[in-house]
Amino acid sequence: KQEVTQIPAALSVPEGENLVLNCSFTDSAIYNLQWFRQDPGKGLTSLLLIQSSQREQTSGRLNASLDKSSGRSTLYIAASQPGDSATYLCAVKGNQAGTALIFGKGTTLSVSS
Amino acid sequence: DVKVTQSSRYLVKRTGEKVFLECVQDMDHENMFWYRQDPGLGLRLIYFSYDVKMKEKGDIPEGYSVSREKKERFSLILESASTNQTSMYLCASSLPGVGTGELFFGEGSRLTVL
Repeated sequence: KQEVTQIPAALSVPEGENLVLNCSFTDSAIYNLQWFRQDPGKGLTSLLLIQSSQREQTSGRLNASLDKSSGRSTLYIAASQPGDSATYLCAVKGNQAGTALIFGKGTTLSVSS
Repeated sequence: DVKVTQSSRYLVKRTGEKVFLECVQDMDHENMFWYRQDPGLGLRLIYFSYDVKMKEKGDIPEGYSVSREKKERFSLILESASTNQTSMYLCASSLPGVGTGELFFGEGSRLTVL
């Protein structure tokens, strides 16, 4: 059964720092991997989606990479800002029909000014 | 922009009450999902649906049922609410797997059962 792990569970950085969030998964047979952001008490907002055939995706200050063979993805945030403070979750979709996303438990990021 | 709307942001119900959580999406997505989110446990899939009148059990379907009578609407039903169903409930939708498969979420419904 697919398991998704995110380490660390929490991270605090000063404003302006570049940082990397990690996501690992146990079964490399994935269809895609998605990174989400969640603000307290709110729903999830999709940040980046990487298809299994892709190595990375970029959006603004965010860059997500995917290494299927090693079961890892990273989310790189450049020049962090206090507004980036949130919980970041990764989720993988298996490539069998009828499978839904499996989520990690998230990394809670705090960026101080 | 895709919009997934959950009708109630906050609900307080009593043990034994029947509870309906409604979710509507406006992007003609085939797939719809209900998750619950609890501290320390993350998101867990309750039910999902790939088409009208179709439903599939997720990881924790016990105590829940769903209804999908129209493509845009997916309802989660708690037949007899219990205190251990106090949680944040999140609805999501996506295109079928042959497409991008990107998942879009609603704002969530926080349910408290007393």
